[in-house]
Amino acid sequence: EDKVVQSPLSLVVHEGDTVTLNCSYEVTNFRSLLWYKQEKKAPTFLFMLTSSGIEKKSGRLSSILDKKELSSILNITATQTGDSAIYLCAVARRKGAQKLVFGQGTRLTINP
Amino acid sequence: DVKVTQSSRYLVKRTGEKVFLECVQDMDHENMFWYRQDPGLGLRLIYFSYDVKMKEKGDIPEGYSVSREKKERFSLILESASTNQTSMYLCASTSPTGVTYEQYFGPGTRLTVT
Repeated sequence: EDKVVQSPLSLVVHEGDTVTLNCSYEVTNFRSLLWYKQEKKAPTFLFMLTSSGIEKKSGRLSSILDKKELSSILNITATQTGDSAIYLCAVARRKGAQKLVFGQGTRLTINP
Repeated sequence: DVKVTQSSRYLVKRTGEKVFLECVQDMDHENMFWYRQDPGLGLRLIYFSYDVKMKEKGDIPEGYSVSREKKERFSLILESASTNQTSMYLCASTSPTGVTYEQYFGPGTRLTVT
C-alpha cells in the first residue's frame, strides 16, 4: 500500500528559528512530490519536486528531494508568525498521476 | 486565478440526515476530488471524478456517494450522516494536461454530525 509519512507531526518554535520538516514515502511508480501550506483555509501549493538533489527555493522556504532515501525536506529559515500552518506533503504516481497520496501533515506553530 | 468554492464553511447536521456538500470550480478542470481531513490522518481521498458522470472510488468511499452532472460542479452526498463523518471536507480540482500535479483546493466545509 502506498504511504507518505511526515515528521514531526507537531512542532513549536520561536520566531527567528530555522525549522526542517520531513516527508518520507513508499509508493510504486513515483512521479513527483508536492508540498502545500494550509492555514485556516484552502491548502496552497508551495513546491513540486521531481528530480533528486535539485533544491527548489521561494524566499525563506526551500525544499529538496532525495530519491535514494525516498524522502524530502522542507526548510524554513528566519521563521515568522505567519509561517504558522499545517504543512502537507503529497506524492503523485506515474499511473493515476492526478491522484495524490498525502501524508498526515506537520502542524507548525511559531511563537513570537 | 483558479477558484474553487464550497457551498458552506460550517455545517451542523443530525444523525441520519442526508447531507449535500457542493463544490464548484471555474477553470474548466476535468478532474475533481473530495477529501476528508482529520487530525493525525492527513487528507484521505473519498471520491474522484475525471469527467462528467465519471467517478472513481478513493480510499474511504464507504458512507459517501458523489454526483458530477456538470463539468464545473462536483457534489458529495452523505446518504445518512453518522457522527463518525464529523470532519473537515475539502474539494480540489486539477487539469490532466497541467505541467504540475498541483491540485487547487476549496476553503473546506467543517461538518459536525450530532
